[in-house]
Amino acid sequence: DVKVTQSSRYLVKRTGEKVFLECVQDMDHENMFWYRQDPGLGLRLIYFSYDVKMKEKGDIPEGYSVSREKKERFSLILESASTNQTSMYLCASSLSGAGSNTEAFFGQGTRLTVV
Amino acid sequence: KNEVEQSPQNLTAQEGEFITINCSYSVGISALHWLQQHPGGGIVSLFMLSSGKKKHGRLIATINIQEKHSSLHITASHPRDSAVYICAVLPPNTGNQFYFGTGTSLTVIP
Repeated sequence: DVKVTQSSRYLVKRTGEKVFLECVQDMDHENMFWYRQDPGLGLRLIYFSYDVKMKEKGDIPEGYSVSREKKERFSLILESASTNQTSMYLCASSLSGAGSNTEAFFGQGTRLTVV
Repeated sequence: KNEVEQSPQNLTAQEGEFITINCSYSVGISALHWLQQHPGGGIVSLFMLSSGKKKHGRLIATINIQEKHSSLHITASHPRDSAVYICAVLPPNTGNQFYFGTGTSLTVIP
């Protein structure tokens, strides 16, 4: 069974804090993704990585950075948390390739509240 | 930009009913993903398909590439099917980036 594990289910942080969200996958997947999910907006891509030390901006990278030092781990960093970053954050991983081999596997989500 | 549209947005059904959720998309794709999200957040992959039809238990997914349309059917629905169902498409040459629909919230009443 593919497993994508996010470090926390719930987090409460103060405005201005630096926040780290960690994601680990155990299936040797090349691709890893960070999304945020907000009511009515669906999943929006923040950053993704297709290899160690490689990263690409998604649709909404502002206020975020990422780190991928090891293949299995992809970290999302909120440099200075703000209340508009209160959201559900979801990590996913997939193999590189095409078609049905690129099924995405998701973590359980981290609900972050910035106060 | 809404490359992926789902309908309906919300759906309430009686237990036992046959349910259909639709997904239309506007881009060329190499595959389409149906996902299920229960309250609490975790997302589970139901199907990944690039043509035809797939069946798993009471769930059936179909795709018509020419019409850019997919449907997810649930036969003999049950309250445990209550969840948000999300359609995601994978365009070619995007580094495996998915485009997501906003989801269909399904409630099945006993």
